[in-house]
Amino acid sequence: GEDVEQSLFLSVREGDSSVINCTYTDSSSTYLYWYKQEPGAGLQLLTYIFSNMDMKQDQRLTVLLNKKDKHLSLRIADTQTGDSAIYFCAENYGGSQGNLIFGKGTKLSVKP
Amino acid sequence: DAGITQSPRHKVTETGTPVTLRCHQTENHRYMYWYRQDPGHGLRLIHYSYGVKDTDKGEVSDGYSVSRSKTEDFLLTLESATSSQTSVYFCAISESAGGTNEQFFGPGTRLTVL
Repeated sequence: GEDVEQSLFLSVREGDSSVINCTYTDSSSTYLYWYKQEPGAGLQLLTYIFSNMDMKQDQRLTVLLNKKDKHLSLRIADTQTGDSAIYFCAENYGGSQGNLIFGKGTKLSVKP
Repeated sequence: DAGITQSPRHKVTETGTPVTLRCHQTENHRYMYWYRQDPGHGLRLIHYSYGVKDTDKGEVSDGYSVSRSKTEDFLLTLESATSSQTSVYFCAISESAGGTNEQFFGPGTRLTVL
């Protein structure tokens, strides 16, 4: 069945770049997403990429999509302590109801 | 922020009791979703709704039922709560299923079943 995998933890120093990786299984997904969850809060959509794109840049965020390997990454440039959160990769697995499958989340810790 | 509220925000209950969680939206979005979030499992879809009185099961629907009698409210009911249903429950809404299908999330309800 459909699955989304991501590493559980990442620790970086403030000012460095962070790269969070994700693999997915459904090649028919039309959109792939990155959500951010801060402690005690719900998820917020950070960015998304359409499946016919290879890259999308939005300020400090860069999303790279390798369709052949079904690999998605999120790069955060100049990582700040406020970026500490859990980041979820998600894919829409088709069908008419737009349901998403989420990865387990990567906890990003930013050390000063 | 999208207008989504969840109530209650925290609840402690005992095994075997019924529990209803409420999700209320002011965005008039057609689609509504209930997820549970557990350590090591991420978010898993319980049930979703694609319109008033139109609902369907998600990945982990056993032990849960839902109702949507009006656009703005989506209720999640645990008929007889079990300790395995201790979790954080999130409601989400979406305007459409196609296109970017951006889902907006509520603040969550932390449920503890003793």
